[in-house]
Amino acid sequence: QVQLQQSGPGLVKPSQTLSLTCAISGDSVSSNSPAWNWIRQSPSGGLQWLGRTYYRSKWYNEYAVFVKGRITVDPDTSKNQFSLHLNSVTPEDTAVYYCARGIGHIHATYYFDSWGQGTLVTVSS
Amino acid sequence: QSVLTQPPSVSGAPGQRVTISCTGSSSNIGAGFHVHWYQQLPGTAPKVLIYDNNNRPSGVPDRFSGSESGTSASLAITGVQAEDEADYYCQSYDTSLSGWVFGGGTKLTVL
Repeated sequence: QVQLQQSGPGLVKPSQTLSLTCAISGDSVSSNSPAWNWIRQSPSGGLQWLGRTYYRSKWYNEYAVFVKGRITVDPDTSKNQFSLHLNSVTPEDTAVYYCARGIGHIHATYYFDSWGQGTLVTVSS
Repeated sequence: QSVLTQPPSVSGAPGQRVTISCTGSSSNIGAGFHVHWYQQLPGTAPKVLIYDNNNRPSGVPDRFSGSESGTSASLAITGVQAEDEADYYCQSYDTSLSGWVFGGGTKLTVL
């Protein structure tokens, strides 16, 4: 049974960097099968996939086009966790952020089978 | 504006059959990318309900089913129960955006 435990601040000032961490139990961030994702849910309810990191003999990252250039998703193998860093935030980045495990060997069949508890991050001065 | 379009709300009396549609395009569902469905109860994270168009994870009741045709997909709940009152989201992959996308969500109210 995979469990994902999120941590990080709930308030970030505009123009600063939003950073969250997701600790994994029951699986490994270095597994050759799943990928490790960040997804956010806006106050209006919509879900947006932000990015992912995964290991297939080497580390890979993929990011959503609308945040590319502002986002980094990093694995930490020593602590079996991964992190989200989103810089230059604005109030439009206010959302509940979730980490999630993604499974499916190809893009066509990929889905999110385990989720963290969610972290409400408010961007405000 | 979500890439996958869902009705904002649906409702049904206990025991009735309810369906939720998810309309996409040739760059996502129509391109053969599978559709997955999630249930989100108030104050909780989404939980996968249907994966790969029509498969249920272990523990999901068989009153939930999924189907797909052309550029659309549907989630059906046969014999809706009070505990099914939640938000439902579809998800797929979009080649134009090179990323995974969700529908805007549908709120199910059990009358």
